[in-house]
Amino acid sequence: QKEVEQNSGPLSVPEGAIASLNCTYSDRGSQSFFWYRQYSGKSPELIMSIYSNGDKEDGRFTAQLNKASQYVSLLIRDSQPSDSATYLCAVNMRSYGQNFVFGPGTRLSVLP
Amino acid sequence: EAQVTQNPRYLITVTGKKLTVTCSQNMNHEYMSWYRQDPGLGLRQIYYSMNVEVTDKGDVPEGYKVSRKEKRNFPLILESPSPNQTSLYFCASSPLTANTGELFFGEGSRLTVL
Repeated sequence: QKEVEQNSGPLSVPEGAIASLNCTYSDRGSQSFFWYRQYSGKSPELIMSIYSNGDKEDGRFTAQLNKASQYVSLLIRDSQPSDSATYLCAVNMRSYGQNFVFGPGTRLSVLP
Repeated sequence: EAQVTQNPRYLITVTGKKLTVTCSQNMNHEYMSWYRQDPGLGLRQIYYSMNVEVTDKGDVPEGYKVSRKEKRNFPLILESPSPNQTSLYFCASSPLTANTGELFFGEGSRLTVL
């Protein structure tokens, strides 16, 4: 089964807080994981990619991967109103022929 | 500039009138894919291609055709569009280098079928 699940939203956080977004996936053979941000009516844009267990930090964003638990998360520190968007978790499921599978997305609202 | 280009960006058509949405990438990527996005359903894969002349069905291929005659182009064909194909469509490409390679998206094509 090709499934990617994300925590249901919408998620609201005050400006300056930490936003935590979660994602689980079904394919244990998956090796590549991505977080995309999508503003309404626009195309998804890559925020983070992660391929190894552990944490990966890029500015205010930290991606965390735990392959044993089939879990990947995204933390956004010092959240800004401009971070308000839908965040998509994507997994390249190699067991299904290099198939990029997306989760349903979590809508984040950062309140001023 | 590295990009994925889709055309048309907006289209209103009628049931049964064949249409083609073009997609072209200038990054020499092997992998290309089409997605549709509907409210509450997220991004669903229609077809994908690992290389020239190699295409595979995604999760929602019914009513669509694709071809990959050249590496840079991956058109999406709706032979007989129906209202349930009204959606926002995205083309994407990826280098798929070893285990890595993110998807690069086009700007999207909003299709309405009356």
